[in-house]
Amino acid sequence: GAGVSQSPRYKVAKRGQDVALRCDPISGHVSLFWYQQALGQGPEFLTYFQNEAQLDKSGLPSDRFFAERPEGSVSTLKIQRTQQEDSAVYLCASSSDRGLQPQHFGDGTRLSIL
Amino acid sequence: RKEVEQDPGPFNVPEGATVAFNCTYSNSASQSFFWYRQDCRKEPKLLMSVYSSGNEDGRFTAQLNRASQYISLLIRDSKLSDSATYLCVVSHGSSNTGKLIFGQGTTLQVKP
Repeated sequence: GAGVSQSPRYKVAKRGQDVALRCDPISGHVSLFWYQQALGQGPEFLTYFQNEAQLDKSGLPSDRFFAERPEGSVSTLKIQRTQQEDSAVYLCASSSDRGLQPQHFGDGTRLSIL
Repeated sequence: RKEVEQDPGPFNVPEGATVAFNCTYSNSASQSFFWYRQDCRKEPKLLMSVYSSGNEDGRFTAQLNRASQYISLLIRDSKLSDSATYLCVVSHGSSNTGKLIFGQGTTLQVKP
């Protein structure tokens, strides 16, 4: 069966541009997480959805970051007015229930801001 | 100070060696504990959960000491294919969203 799918795999943007990263979770998974992984670091939590509800966005670093999951399946992470410090791998994970592990991760989107 | 601390390494060991990784966590509300493995430029994958009684999966043994807030992973008879970054991960209690809190990761390089 299909795992978590993320697109694009790589994204290069100029500073100040807006970017949109897509996550297609495992079918039927109610929980969806976004993480940011800087080079040489572990992933850091950004935001969490249960179905279409964004229940936790405490990890979003600034108001330039926005995430949505309007129909409770595909999610989009949008970064406005990108800055160089936004360069990182953005990982999406899904699970069948927030209390049940494991979270299944996608391959990530590697974002480079020039 | 990070909530989950690991020695980043790298640990360079010969094939067949036994290697141990340690990690400490600062939040006593942590309820669930895991080791994830991440290969270069790939996504993290669950290696094993960690239970208070300790648990073993083949060559891998994980232990948890709640009093000391300390987690360990032991790899016996290392293989070349064990070369990867090992991430220590915790999750908080039932009131939490289930988000995972990762350590920096410990890099293991197994050499022939």
